[in-house]
Formats: sequence, C-alpha cells, structure tokens
Amino acid sequence: SQTIHQWPATLVQPVGSPLSLECTVEGTSNPNLYWYRQAAGRGLQLLFYSVGIGQISSEVPQNLSASRPQDRQFILSSKKLLLSDSGFYLCAWSAGSTDTQYFGPGTRLTVL
Amino acid sequence: SQKIEQNSEALNIQEGKTATLTCNYTNYSPAYLQWYRQDPGRGPVFLLLIRENEKEKRKERLKVTFDTTLKQSLFHITASQPADSATYLCALVGYSSASKIIFGSGTRLSIRP
Repeated sequence: SQTIHQWPATLVQPVGSPLSLECTVEGTSNPNLYWYRQAAGRGLQLLFYSVGIGQISSEVPQNLSASRPQDRQFILSSKKLLLSDSGFYLCAWSAGSTDTQYFGPGTRLTVL
Repeated sequence: SQKIEQNSEALNIQEGKTATLTCNYTNYSPAYLQWYRQDPGRGPVFLLLIRENEKEKRKERLKVTFDTTLKQSLFHITASQPADSATYLCALVGYSSASKIIFGSGTRLSIRP
C-alpha cells in the first residue's frame, strides 16, 4: 500500500532563517506531488505541484521554492523565512491530476 | 474567477441528528466533486467522490448529492456521533488532465452528546 511521509512534524524557526521540509511517498511510481499551506482556520492554499522529476509548477509567487530530485521525493525550501510563512504545510500525492489526493501528516511551522 | 463556498465555518448539532453541509461553486464546471475529512493537526482524508453525471452517492452513514444546475453539493451524515466531529472540505476537479483540485475552506462540524 502507499504511504506518504513528511518531516519534521513541527518546526520553530526565526525570521530570516532557511527552511527545508521533506516529503516522500512509498508504494507508487510517478505520482503527482503537491505542497499546500493551511493557515489557522483557513482552507488549503496550493503552493507547488509536480508531475515528474524536475518539473515544478508554482501557484503563488513568494519566497518559497520546491524541488523534486527523485520520483517520490518532494522538498519545500526557503532561503529566508518571513513571519507570514507560519502555517501548517501539507504534502499530498495523486495518481493523476484529476485523481483523489492523499495527504501526509503535515508540518506545523512557526516563524518567530 | 473560480470560487468555492462552504455554507458556514462551524456547525453544531445534537448527536443522533443528521448533519448537512453545503458546498457551492461559481465560474466552474467540475467533472467531479470530492469530500474530505480533516481532524485537528492532521492532513485531510478522502471520503467520497461524486461525478457530474451522478445525482447521489452513499457510503455507510454518509450521503453526497451533486446538483450541477444549482452548482451545489450537499454532504449528509446520518445518525451523527461525537466521533464525526471534524472539519469537512469539499473539492472540485475539472475535466482537463491539467486541472488541479480546488479546495473549499471547510466547515467545522461539532456533534454534542
């Protein structure tokens, strides 16, 4: 069966520090991968999605970036965090762009 | 622009009653609609999918309807239980393979004993 992992589970970082969140998927090949951010009490905001290795589409211009160095690995990064980057970050995968999405456990990021 | 609205931020009902959540959309013609459940501090979990040519779909105590004329989906939980308390998200998916799922902001459902 397929599983999706995210780490770390929680992170507290100072403003201006770098960020690296990692997501890996097991049990499937060539998945579509997604990064979402969810602010407290709000809906899901799609940040990036990828349909293959090295293929990244950005939905929201910001100081975040994403990379997909391997088929089942998706990384969210920032060179300098802002206060507004705080939130709950979720990675998800799907078999295709129009298929059900399966979410990871999430990373709670607090920028102080 | 495409817009999804879920009827209210929060809904409180008595255990045993039927909970009804609403999802309305504009400027979109989805191929199908999905409902997810999200517990605090966790990722959303897929519950049900209904296609644009289906009127109703059931799964155990859950029922979803889809009215493409009204541009609305209703999500029902019958015989509600405190364990059903969670945030429920609707999501729309378009016809194109280039489509992305668009999520609503969710309705927080609380079932009181």
